[in-house]
Amino acid sequence: EAGVAQSPRYKIIEKRQSVAFWCNPISGHATLYWYQQILGQGPKLLIQFQNNGVVDDSQLPKDRFSAERLKGVDSTLKIQPAKLEDSAVYLCASSLGHGTSYEQYFGPGTRLTVT
Amino acid sequence: GNSVTQMEGPVTLSEEAFLTINCTYTATGYPSLFWYVQYPGEGLQLLLKATKADDKGSNKGFEATYRKETTSFHLEKGSVQVSDSAVYFCALTLTGTASKLTFGTGTRLQVTL
Repeated sequence: EAGVAQSPRYKIIEKRQSVAFWCNPISGHATLYWYQQILGQGPKLLIQFQNNGVVDDSQLPKDRFSAERLKGVDSTLKIQPAKLEDSAVYLCASSLGHGTSYEQYFGPGTRLTVT
Repeated sequence: GNSVTQMEGPVTLSEEAFLTINCTYTATGYPSLFWYVQYPGEGLQLLLKATKADDKGSNKGFEATYRKETTSFHLEKGSVQVSDSAVYFCALTLTGTASKLTFGTGTRLQVTL
């Protein structure tokens, strides 16, 4: 079974530029998550989708971050414009459903460096 | 609010040594508790979990017991191997929060020969 795919793996941009990350979850997984992991910290949930609807985006900085999951499969996370503090690893995860009984499977992450 | 506190790393051990990584939590309800592991260059993987008090999660020789009275979920392994070198994250989720995971800061383990 293929795992969660993310691209690109690495991205370097200058502040005020825009960037987009892509995630392809495990086939059949209804729930998709985006986490931000700043160096030295644990991952922090940015947004959670159930199919193509948003379940939780309370920690998404909506003035610069946006995410979509068209057709309830792939997802993109965009930052526009980027700030220095956005340098982090962006992790995508998916699960069959939402709830504590469903394991979240993580992709390898996209490492973003903002200069 | 909900939070997870882990012991700071890095933890450096010789092969076959005993491992303990401390984890304590604060939660407004009754959490499920998890340990995730991140090997170099790879994504996070679920190592073990426990969903109620006194449950013991175990996998690959690692184990952790959900202690409600001390709000702890310490990770232990009797004999570590070089291949166990990784970053370990303690995490919790609350029933009814749509499975949102709250992570600790991670503890890096380095095992040497």
